Amino acid sequence: GNSVTQMEGPVTLSEEAFLTINCTYTATGYPSLFWYVQYPGEGLQLLLKATKADDKGSNKGFEATYRKETTSFHLEKGSVQVSDSAVYFCALIGLNSGYSTLTFGKGTMLLVSP
Amino acid sequence: DAGVIQSPRHEVTEMGQEVTLRCKPISGHDYLFWYRQTMMRGLELLIYFNNNVPIDDSGMPEDRFSAKMPNASFSTLKIQPSEPRDSAVYFCASRPTWGLSGNTIYFGEGSWLTVV
Repeated sequence: GNSVTQMEGPVTLSEEAFLTINCTYTATGYPSLFWYVQYPGEGLQLLLKATKADDKGSNKGFEATYRKETTSFHLEKGSVQVSDSAVYFCALIGLNSGYSTLTFGKGTMLLVSP
Repeated sequence: DAGVIQSPRHEVTEMGQEVTLRCKPISGHDYLFWYRQTMMRGLELLIYFNNNVPIDDSGMPEDRFSAKMPNASFSTLKIQPSEPRDSAVYFCASRPTWGLSGNTIYFGEGSWLTVV
């Protein structure tokens, strides 16, 4: 079946540091890939997505590239801010779910200090 | 356009009581999902509907859980009787048929349930 593996957190960074959160996936067919973000006490918000190989999703300074050869969708940001502190979820929609539902990773907590 | 609306946002109830969580999907979305989030298990899909019909309820943990969608703009998730291990955040989400608005699933703010 579909599965998503994320690096365990928390990831602790100083403001303006470079961020990478690793995400790899297992899926049949041609999944679409997503990053969602959950700020403290809030719901899930779509951060970015990519629907086919080599696509790059980007939003709010975050980027992720759909790498089919390595089955990865790593999240990056060049300079993090305190306001980026949140939990980040990698997810996919794939053939096993009839391309209907999301399969999530466990989430990675990011803590950014001033 | 309003997003997915869930109620209540927070609920504290005693073990054995019935809990009803409510959801209003985004207008025009014909898929509705219920997810549960816990520290131990992360985000799990409980059930989803298409055009008000339950399609996959294999994630519903046990018979104490039930979900309904009586019309296109309303769904409920009911737990009866509730137990402390049901304490979690319950998310409702919705999406349109693919192609009408990409393939994005939109989430509500969640219902934060504590059973004591």
